[in-house]
Amino acid sequence: GNSVTQMQGQVTLSEEEFLFINCTYSTTGYPTLFWYVQYPGEGPQLLLKVTTANNKGSSRGFEATYDKGTTSFHLQKASVQESDSAVYYCVLGEGTGGYKVVFGSGTRLLVSP
Amino acid sequence: EAAVTQSPRNKVAVTGGKVTLSCNQTNNHNNMYWYRQDTGHGLRLIHYSYGAGSTEKGDIPDGYKASRPSQENFSLILELATPSQTSVYFCASGRQGSAETLYFGSGTRLTVL
Repeated sequence: GNSVTQMQGQVTLSEEEFLFINCTYSTTGYPTLFWYVQYPGEGPQLLLKVTTANNKGSSRGFEATYDKGTTSFHLQKASVQESDSAVYYCVLGEGTGGYKVVFGSGTRLLVSP
Repeated sequence: EAAVTQSPRNKVAVTGGKVTLSCNQTNNHNNMYWYRQDTGHGLRLIHYSYGAGSTEKGDIPDGYKASRPSQENFSLILELATPSQTSVYFCASGRQGSAETLYFGSGTRLTVL
């Protein structure tokens, strides 16, 4: 079945530092890959999505690309702010059925001023 | 703006009691989902629905039932609540197709004593 692995449980940075979060995925189909962000007390919300391998998605200063060859999908931001502190989920969607949406375990980002 | 509303926001139940969590969406989306969120597991799919009258089992359906009486409403039912079901529950809606964005509610924190 489809799966997503996020190895980084927590990332701690200072403001203006570079962010890089990686995830790997497994699927036999043609996936769309998403990054969702969750702020305290809220539900997850879409940050960006990438529907085609090697294409780049971007939103709010974040960028993401996925590599079909290495089945990896990463999120990066050149300069983080304290307001970026949140949990980031790598998500894989595949197939025509909506249930084939698989969440990674999440990466908590803590940004100190 | 997409809107998914969950109620109650917090719930305390006793072991063996019946619990119903409610979700309403005004997006006119066909698909609705129930997830639970636990530390280290990310979001795990419990039940989902493709439209009024339909419910399908997700990855962890044991101990849960779901009901979709209308396009707008999707309920999660715990007939005999257990402490292991203590968690935060999220409802989401989405258009058909796994490349579509999921819109989440703010969650229900359930504690089973």
